[in-house]
Amino acid sequence: SAVISQKPSRDICQRGTSLTIQCQVDSQVTMMFWYRQQPGQSLTLIATANQGSEATYESGFVIDKFPISRPNLTFSTLTVSNMSPEDSSIYLCSVMTGTDTQYFGPGTRLTVL
Amino acid sequence: AQTVTQSQPEMSVQEAETVTLSCTYDTSESDYYLFWYKQPPSRQMILVIRQEAYKQQNATENRFSVNFQKAAKSFSLKISDSQLGDAAMYFCAYSGGSNYKLTFGKGTLLTVNP
Repeated sequence: SAVISQKPSRDICQRGTSLTIQCQVDSQVTMMFWYRQQPGQSLTLIATANQGSEATYESGFVIDKFPISRPNLTFSTLTVSNMSPEDSSIYLCSVMTGTDTQYFGPGTRLTVL
Repeated sequence: AQTVTQSQPEMSVQEAETVTLSCTYDTSESDYYLFWYKQPPSRQMILVIRQEAYKQQNATENRFSVNFQKAAKSFSLKISDSQLGDAAMYFCAYSGGSNYKLTFGKGTLLTVNP
């Protein structure tokens, strides 16, 4: 499986600010995803990060709030914009290899005050 | 829409014993994948085991095995010879269709008692 890193691992932010989370993979992958895990909850898909085109967002998530970039096959960023305390969550990126299996990064724990 | 249900919010097992975690799902797809992921307190999501729906044989990975009942839409995880390091939140997940989206259950918190 691929080795996936995320930066930062955790952050504490003030409401109204934005945070960009980076996801780096050690090999080229076809598909990358961003998930949110709210406190005590399961994971919910935010969007699929498409290389060279706009991300595909799930219902309830919009580009203005969660802009995503994917400039190449090994890197993606997720920005959480105009943050509020309700955005406090763990944000995880995942990648899919040719086996239709998703592997996850270590996650970014975000706290918004 | 696909749904995944884990009816056991918490389970406990004695070290070296066997425990089974339940999962049911709902889908109209005929071709799909099912997964069990483990999330220890470090929050890293770790793949435990994977099952392809078209395969009748149940998947196994060392001490971990599944009981896949396609007609009943049931996908339980059996952990044999439980170890302290197995303590974690376990999530059942479904992936089907063309978008490869993972749909997760709410999770089962497994405690392993020494």
